[in-house]
This record gives sequence, structure tokens and C-alpha cells, in this order.
Amino acid sequence: DGGITQSPKYLFRKEGQNVTLSCEQNLNHDAMYWYRQDPGQGLRLIYYSQIVNDFQKGDIAEGYSVSREKKESFPLTVTSAQKNPTAFYLCASSMASGNSYEQYFGPGTRLTVT
Amino acid sequence: QQPVQSPQAVILREGEDAVINCSSSKALYSVHWYRQKHGEAPVFLMILLKGGEQKGHEKISASFNEKKQQSSLYLTASQLSYSGTYFCGAGGGNDMRFGAGTRLTVKP
Repeated sequence: DGGITQSPKYLFRKEGQNVTLSCEQNLNHDAMYWYRQDPGQGLRLIYYSQIVNDFQKGDIAEGYSVSREKKESFPLTVTSAQKNPTAFYLCASSMASGNSYEQYFGPGTRLTVT
Repeated sequence: QQPVQSPQAVILREGEDAVINCSSSKALYSVHWYRQKHGEAPVFLMILLKGGEQKGHEKISASFNEKKQQSSLYLTASQLSYSGTYFCGAGGGNDMRFGAGTRLTVKP
């Protein structure tokens, strides 16, 4: 079955530590996205990638970094510079990045930093 | 830039209808609708494109008024499984911005 996997489902870290969230897709999609979701709020775009070895900042990229070395993988690193990292993180992919392509979401990683 | 959804929350009895609205301050070329159950990933429902094209689930009904920069999602004869938070996304791809969501609760 094709889909997007994110691991782990829950992640706990101490303040000051960097942490990397995994996102893998086997849908053969070119475009991939990272979103952050806070309670009662919509999805805010952190980073996106339209093709391998290329990625762009979204609306809230400060304190985050990504890489796209393989088509199927788009890991997100939450650095110690991110002031409020506790949130639900969602990875998504779409066939391409145009208006007419639906996004498929992974199950999410809930990160708690104390 | 974030589209505005209304209402913020709605409670229904099984079998009742609901309308969820999404409006944007900028020109809309497409509107996406997703439903998210608590703690789960959003699931795609429908895309409405400028010019009238739609793609999505047959049982979901929605409209897209390009002139008014608005879209509405129509949920008829609601079932318990319809409960969740509905998000609209204005634009597409890396240009998509999501609304804050409408929490729909369907009670028996």
C-alpha cells in the first residue's frame, strides 16, 4: 500500500536539543511539505520541496531545517533555535506542487519539549 | 493570507445538514477541503478549481464562487463518522494556506 510514514508518533526532548522527525513516502510524489499544527489552529507551512535536492522556506521556517536527498524522504530537524517547538508536526506529499493536486498526509509526530 | 472559516464549531444530530464556509481575501484559483479526526492526519475530501472543475469524493458536495472568493462545503444527512475538524486550503501546493478549521460534532 502506498502512503506516507512518519516516525516516531510521539517524541520527547529536553530543551536545547536538536531533534529530527522522519518522513518517508512511497507514492512517487515529487512535492513534499512539512506543517506545524498547534491546538485549535490550522496548518502552518514550515518547509516544502518540489524536487529532489531543492527546498524552500514556508511561513514559519525559523528554527527548522530540512533536506531532500532522496525523492521519498524529507526529514525535518527542529533545532534548539526554535523557541516554541512543542506541537503536532505533519508531513505531506503531492504528485506535483500545482493547484490541482491534493496533498496526502502522514499520521504526524507529536513533539513535546520540556 | 489565511482563509477564514465559519462557523468555528457546529453540533448536529445525526441526519441533519451543515454548511461550512471558507473565504479568502486574495484571489482564489483553487480550494481544497480536508477532514481531520482528533490526533490523526487530515484526509483529502475535495478540490474545487477555477473554471468549475472539481475532483474528490462523490458523496461530498461543495461550491466555489470565484468572484466572491468563497467556497462552501455541504454536509447532508450527517452521520456520526462525519465528526471531525474540517479545513479549507486556499491555493495549492506550496502556495496553499489553511484556515483555522471548523469543528463538527455529530451526535446520535
